[in-house]
Amino acid sequence: AQKVTQAQTEISVVEKEDVTLDCVYETRDTTYYLFWYKQPPSGELVFLIRRNSFDEQNEISGRYSWNFQKSTSSFNFTITASQVVDSAVYFCALSETSGNEKLTFGTGTRLTIIP
Amino acid sequence: DTEVTQTPKHLVMGMTNKKSLKCEQHMGHRAMYWYKQKAKKPPELMFVYSYEKLSINESVPSRFSPECPNSSLLNLHLHALQPEDSALYLCASSQDKGSWRTQYFGPGTRLLVL
Repeated sequence: AQKVTQAQTEISVVEKEDVTLDCVYETRDTTYYLFWYKQPPSGELVFLIRRNSFDEQNEISGRYSWNFQKSTSSFNFTITASQVVDSAVYFCALSETSGNEKLTFGTGTRLTIIP
Repeated sequence: DTEVTQTPKHLVMGMTNKKSLKCEQHMGHRAMYWYKQKAKKPPELMFVYSYEKLSINESVPSRFSPECPNSSLLNLHLHALQPEDSALYLCASSQDKGSWRTQYFGPGTRLLVL
């Protein structure tokens, strides 16, 4: 069965520090997709990134970067030079393609950026 | 434009009331979803509509009744709810059905059942 673990429940860092949010997943499929979503206090889940299991290239988007390592079943998310607006709950999610119609979410990491 | 809108933003209702939540998207997506999210928990899937037909019902109690009048609209009719149904209700849409599709979420409706 598929599973996503976000071991860090809450993280607090001072503004401008870098922070990495961990995501470890379990799946038996060879083809799967991984997602990161941001949920600010307003409640909306904001899509950040989707990666498929065949694309292990790391990705950078501005201050955000993602490190996908199949060998350790991890898809970690780093925010460089954090800002107060980055304060939110971040969810990692997994999708299999073998007939499962559901996204499996991790329990989320609450990130607080201290000004 | 990746916008999904939801109304109302907040809703307070008694256990005998009937109310409806509304969701709209204009991205041409053919799959729409309802999720329920309790505080400090991840979203839980309730229903999936694909091409305006109910595709998945995650064993949701009948006091929640979904409706998809057309490809852009999704409603969730509420009747005889319980206080434990208080939660954030999120609507999402994707290009097509399939959990590998990127889902775009609305801002949610915060529901309080008294």
